[in-house]
Amino acid sequence: TQLLEQSPQFLSIQEGENLTVYCNSSSVFSSLQWYRQEPGEGPVLLVTVVTGGEVKKLKRLTFQFGDARKDSSLHITAAQPGDTGLYLCAAFNTNAGKSTFGDGTTLTVKP
Amino acid sequence: EAQVTQNPRYLITVTGKKLTVTCSQNMNHEYMSWYRQDPGLGLRQIYYSMNVEVTDKGDVPEGYKVSRKEKRNFPLILESPSPNQTSLYFCASRLRGGQGGVGYEQYFGPGTRLTVT
Repeated sequence: TQLLEQSPQFLSIQEGENLTVYCNSSSVFSSLQWYRQEPGEGPVLLVTVVTGGEVKKLKRLTFQFGDARKDSSLHITAAQPGDTGLYLCAAFNTNAGKSTFGDGTTLTVKP
Repeated sequence: EAQVTQNPRYLITVTGKKLTVTCSQNMNHEYMSWYRQDPGLGLRQIYYSMNVEVTDKGDVPEGYKVSRKEKRNFPLILESPSPNQTSLYFCASRLRGGQGGVGYEQYFGPGTRLTVT
């Protein structure tokens, strides 16, 4: 089983601050995904990163895939209360059947 | 509307009473999967199916069964539920896969909260 370690586990910040969430593994992945989950709902895909060194931007969210394709980060600029939620990274194994999720980062953005 | 549906959304049952949680998707996805989510443990994969009549174990398959007789449906069966199966369950689907990993995006259902007493 591939392990994905996310840090920090919990993050509580004020509106307008910046933050970074990390997802690390000792395994190499063909692709890695970031999801956001709100209470009472299923996770929703934010982005998929595929190429080592890739950077993707989604409004105030910036996602980066490590050069060696073993780690990824999610950076949020000027966080807003609407960003509050559980952020999960996920990856599939080589035959694309088994998937692994990180334990998640619970983000709270206070107004 | 493209979606994954699960039923029931909430279920309280007793130990040993067989139950089935249904999952259906209308996106013609080949791949479907079941996860359980427990506090502090993230999402753990129970079973997955790459296509009709093809199922395989995830990381936590003990105590669960699945079947994939039709492309759109992937029911989760608990033959003899126990209290340690109390959890939040999610069904997900996606296209089977593409070049470089593109196409692996999963779409999740709304979840089924199961309590076994």
